Parts: sequence; C-alpha cells; structure tokens
Amino acid sequence: AQSVTQPDIHITVSEGASLELRCNYSYGATPYLFWYVQSPGQGLQLLLKYFSGDTLVQGIKGFEAEFKRSQSSFNLRKPSVHWSDAAEYFCAPQCSGAGSYQLTFGKGTKLSVIP
Amino acid sequence: DAMVIQNPRYQVTQFGKPVTLSCSQTLNHNVMYWYQQKSSQAPKLLFHYYDKDFNNEADTPDNFQSRRPNTSFCFLDIRSPGLGDAAMYLCATSRDRGENSPLHFGNGTRLTVT
Repeated sequence: AQSVTQPDIHITVSEGASLELRCNYSYGATPYLFWYVQSPGQGLQLLLKYFSGDTLVQGIKGFEAEFKRSQSSFNLRKPSVHWSDAAEYFCAPQCSGAGSYQLTFGKGTKLSVIP
Repeated sequence: DAMVIQNPRYQVTQFGKPVTLSCSQTLNHNVMYWYQQKSSQAPKLLFHYYDKDFNNEADTPDNFQSRRPNTSFCFLDIRSPGLGDAAMYLCATSRDRGENSPLHFGNGTRLTVT
C-alpha cells in the first residue's frame, strides 16, 4: 500500500538555526514529490517539487529538498530559519503512473521558531 | 491578486442545516478539488472535477456533494452537516492532472457546526 510518513509531529528550532524536516514514502514506483507549507488559518502553498533529474531541488523562501532513492526519502532543509517560517509543513507524494493524479499528504510537521 | 478565492472564510451552521461553500479561480485551470482538513490532520481529498467530469473519492460520504457550473466556480454542498463535519475546507486547482501540475490552494473556509 502507498504511504507517506512524516515522523516528526512538532519541531522547535531557534531563529537562525538550520532545519531538516523528514519525509519517507512507500510507493511501488518513484512518485513525484512535493512539499507544501501551511501558515495558520491559511491554505497550502507549494514550496518545491521533484519529478526527475537533479536530486537536490531548490524551492521558494530559501528551502531545498533532497531526493534519496535508496532511502525513499525527500527531506526538506533550510540553512537558517526565520521566525516567519513557523508553520505546518506537508510532504506529498503523487503517483507517477499514467492517468494518476492523486496527491497524498503526510500528517504534517508543525514548526515553531524561538526568537 | 488572489487566484483561488474561497468564501466565506468562516461559516457557522446548525446541525442538520444545509450549507454551501464557494470557490472561484482566475487561473482558468481545468481541475478543481475539494479537501477536508480536520484539526492537526492532513488534508483529505473529497472529490475533484476534471473540466465537467466529476470524480468522487470512494470514502467521501453521500452527505457531501459538489457542483461546477462553469470553469471558474465550484461549490461544496453539505446536505445535513453533523458535528463531525466541522473542519477547514480547502479548494484547490491545477492546470491538469498528473505531473507538472501542482495544486494551487485557496485560504480555506473554516466550518463550525453548532
């Protein structure tokens, strides 16, 4: 069965510290991979996506993610966190088969930033 | 210049009283989605329209219906809301289905059922 796991429910970091949010997936074939961010009371915004090619992808707001096929992971990173990054982050694989479309969201990781 | 607009931002309805949530888009995207997101949970897909073609998820309750009268608008109708239907409802669009068509979300409508 297809699944996505975000093992950290809540992470707290100090402003200026580095950040890594974990995401692992279990799919028959390598899915397309997305990270979305949701600020409180808002909809979701796309941070970055991976389809193929370079395994390190750059996104908006200084975020990047690295696809590691051997580990079935797509971890999100930022070298220096800003207070405005406090939000909830969702990893979302998407089946890559013909006619597939459904995005499956992980349960999310809530990020708190200490000033 | 919001591209996916949901109205209202907050909606209060009574137990069993029908309610309609609205979504409009200025992106001219083919696909429109409705997600339900309960507190501290991941968004869950209820259904989507690919142009005029309605696609219901297997586990979406019959209590939830949707209409898409034209490309720009999509409505979520909850025929008899229960307390368990209190949630954030998110509308999203994509240019197409499949890869290279990421979702664009509205800011959601938070539904309270009293």
